[in-house]
Amino acid sequence: GQQVMQIPQYQHVQEGEDFTTYCNSSTTLSNIQWYKQRPGGHPVFLIQLVKSGEVKKQKRLTFQFGEAKKNSSLHITATQTTDVGTYFCAGQGSSNTGKLIFGQGTTLQVKP
Amino acid sequence: DTEVTQTPKHLVMGMTNKKSLKCEQHMGHRAMYWYKQKAKKPPELMFVYSYEKLSINESVPSRFSPECPNSSLLNLHLHALQPEDSALYLCASSQVMSRDFLQYEQYFGPGTRLTVT
Repeated sequence: GQQVMQIPQYQHVQEGEDFTTYCNSSTTLSNIQWYKQRPGGHPVFLIQLVKSGEVKKQKRLTFQFGEAKKNSSLHITATQTTDVGTYFCAGQGSSNTGKLIFGQGTTLQVKP
Repeated sequence: DTEVTQTPKHLVMGMTNKKSLKCEQHMGHRAMYWYKQKAKKPPELMFVYSYEKLSINESVPSRFSPECPNSSLLNLHLHALQPEDSALYLCASSQVMSRDFLQYEQYFGPGTRLTVT
């Protein structure tokens, strides 16, 4: 079945360093969404990417969707302790089922 | 109001008990979801309701029984659960897929942390 692989699984950074997490799908995605889950919390929607090659920015966060719509990345510039949490990508395949296929998540720890 | 509420926050039940989880949203969303999440894992889709009708059942065991009484409420009835069913159960809602089958963002509730003893 359709899978979305996400790496790395964990990342520890010093506050102020940059961070990137990557998602790769085995098949073309119609769109990809990113969610953040704080420790003890629930997933919170960050952004959706739909177009091939799309790049979107939210303050220090930059999201990219690959040209082939099979990969995506989230880059955080100058991390802060408030960025701590697990970042999930979630892709919608082309089967039009309305299902999101979640990546395994990348857990970010930031040392102050 | 962009909030999805879930009750209870915590639930401990024995393997012979019957209990229900409740979810409510007032955003006018007509798609609602149940997910199961184990520690350090992504949410795992269980059920999807669209316009109050069950549209997706991800081969979930019959000891989990979903119900959507109206467009704002979603229940998950639990019966004869196993210890391995202990997890965080998340409810989510969204607008129904667009005409070009674009899945909208999902709003998650805080979850019910279930422990089966």
